[in-house]
Amino acid sequence: NAGVTQTPKFQVLKTGQSMTLQCAQDMNHEYMSWYRQDPGMGLRLIHYSVGAGITDQGEVPNGYNVSRSTTEDFPLRLLSAAPSQTSVYFCASSYPTGAGGPRGELFFGEGSRLTVL
Amino acid sequence: AQSVTQLGSHVSVSEGALVLLRCNYSSSVPPYLFWYVQYPNQGLQLLLKYTTGATLVKGINGFEAEFKKSETSFHLTKPSAHMSDAAEYFCAVSPLRAGSARQLTFGSGTQLTVLP
Repeated sequence: NAGVTQTPKFQVLKTGQSMTLQCAQDMNHEYMSWYRQDPGMGLRLIHYSVGAGITDQGEVPNGYNVSRSTTEDFPLRLLSAAPSQTSVYFCASSYPTGAGGPRGELFFGEGSRLTVL
Repeated sequence: AQSVTQLGSHVSVSEGALVLLRCNYSSSVPPYLFWYVQYPNQGLQLLLKYTTGATLVKGINGFEAEFKKSETSFHLTKPSAHMSDAAEYFCAVSPLRAGSARQLTFGSGTQLTVLP
């Protein structure tokens, strides 16, 4: 019962460094997404994907890149980290888009806490 | 466009007391509504959801919520709080629309503290 797995759980970066947050799910979910969580602001959508080879921007995409080469994996890349990207990042996945599953129910990973100095 | 407002970023109740967490939404189309719970250092997990049909929805751990279209509300309640209910609770809305890519909009969260 792995579900959604995120790595690393904790990371400290210096301004300007790059890194990739990994996300993998074993539930054959077509929909995957990345959120960031900041105090008092809830969760904000960064990028999402509705299937392999298809990605789109969410509410706060600037400074982040994504790709979706397989159904299972959805990495989030920070090309040049900034202090404003200090946050907790959550990956979430959902049922296949066309199967009539519970619309909007997301399955979350445990989060990756990123600090940019 | 859609949005969610959670009234009260922090709520404290005594153990055994009623829990009431407020959520109001705005949506240009009929919504799906959700409550998620986040325990410390964990991801979010679904507590309950409203899609269609009965407006009173029961979830896990004794929680329930009622969809009131006229009030655009989806408040979360539990008759008797338990210490283990201490967590952050998020209300979320998703458009009920064919072809939706399941874009959830989350509220800013309510931290529930249960006092002994």
